[in-house]
Amino acid sequence: DAGVIQSPRHEVTEMGQEVTLRCKPISGHDYLFWYRQTMMRGLELLIYFNNNVPIDDSGMPEDRFSAKMPNASFSTLKIQPSEPRDSAVYFCASSTSGAYNEQFFGPGTRLTVL
Amino acid sequence: RKEVEQDPGPFNVPEGATVAFNCTYSNSASQSFFWYRQDCRKEPKLLMSVYSSGNEDGRFTAQLNRASQYISLLIRDSKLSDSATYLCVVNFQENRDDKIIFGKGTRLHILP
Repeated sequence: DAGVIQSPRHEVTEMGQEVTLRCKPISGHDYLFWYRQTMMRGLELLIYFNNNVPIDDSGMPEDRFSAKMPNASFSTLKIQPSEPRDSAVYFCASSTSGAYNEQFFGPGTRLTVL
Repeated sequence: RKEVEQDPGPFNVPEGATVAFNCTYSNSASQSFFWYRQDCRKEPKLLMSVYSSGNEDGRFTAQLNRASQYISLLIRDSKLSDSATYLCVVNFQENRDDKIIFGKGTRLHILP
């Protein structure tokens, strides 16, 4: 299995632009998580899905952030418009049995907003 | 009080030594606990789950103290390859949703 796949690996954009991050979970995993990691705040859960349905989005910082999972093999995290404070590493992870099992992380997308 | 707290370190430890660090949590209803390892500029990877009775995996021992609300990780006979950041994870339910809280991590440097 290729593991969790994320794209792009690096993204540099200018303030105000739309950014779309992509994730392909491990086949057969029914939970998908989006995290953001910064030095100041550590690793924060933004949103997670179970069977493609968003379960808890309380970690999404504001309306500029949105996430979708149109099918079991694909999810997107969109930031519109982007701001410099959104600069971070964004990880996608997948698992079976939600929070009570091992989460497998993708390599992350390093986002820089200028 | 923060939900999950870890000493950020760094812990600078000579090779072969034993090192231990703790992670405290504030929600007494927390249900599951894990230790993840994160290498520099890499993704976190599961190191071990933490069970109520304590558990051991080779040189690594994890323990849970519910009364004092902390988990611990002990590394014996430390290797250079153990240098990494160790993240604790605490899970609990809130309004029927699973909450997953990562600590900010403890940096460990094993010195040759």
